[in-house]
Amino acid sequence: DGGITQSPKYLFRKEGQNVTLSCEQNLNHDAMYWYRQDPGQGLRLIYYSQIVNDFQKGDIAEGYSVSREKKESFPLTVTSAQKNPTAFYLCASSIGRPTYEQYFGPGTRLTVT
Amino acid sequence: GESVGLHLPTLSVQEGDNSIINCAYSNSASDYFIWYKQESGKGPQFIIDIRSNMDKRQGQRVTVLLNKTVKHLSLQIAATQPGDSAVYFCAENKAPTGGGNKLTFGTGTQLKVEL
Repeated sequence: DGGITQSPKYLFRKEGQNVTLSCEQNLNHDAMYWYRQDPGQGLRLIYYSQIVNDFQKGDIAEGYSVSREKKESFPLTVTSAQKNPTAFYLCASSIGRPTYEQYFGPGTRLTVT
Repeated sequence: GESVGLHLPTLSVQEGDNSIINCAYSNSASDYFIWYKQESGKGPQFIIDIRSNMDKRQGQRVTVLLNKTVKHLSLQIAATQPGDSAVYFCAENKAPTGGGNKLTFGTGTQLKVEL
């Protein structure tokens, strides 16, 4: 999957618990992204980071948090404040200009009961 | 607000036929468009991209057409094969003002190839 790894592939949690999804890339890309995908829908941007130690909220950031301490890593925490956390989560990275192509990881399917 | 939408949620084609997947966009400032293929349970894979200064771009068995007049994007797949069965997404990048870039994705079209 283009040098981006996400773990685990499947994750189960009880409601009220925070959970952290891992995303690592070895492509030397500066930019990294987190998306959420629900059945029958496209990808919605949660958070993105253009450079280490900096990140911005996407369209649906409420209930999520991220960190970017290393260029290779961009973990996403789904907090108990996220009202509907069950979804397929995708991480991506991009080299940036002049191409805007994003490389995606295999995804993590999170189920919260 | 700005959006990227697809005309058809599901497209069924016979093996060997050509497939055409359409996408409408509303942001006239978008400078870059990209098509992804997503198989069930996997991450999206890059197919082909096109910049706003182009009308057409060809890859291996795929062609992307951009009509800026009507804000329409299409993906043509020649000689469709069973392995082409997947969900196809178009995405656009609005010309960034802050130095970064974000893609806005459409909802996707499910392509089903019938034998």
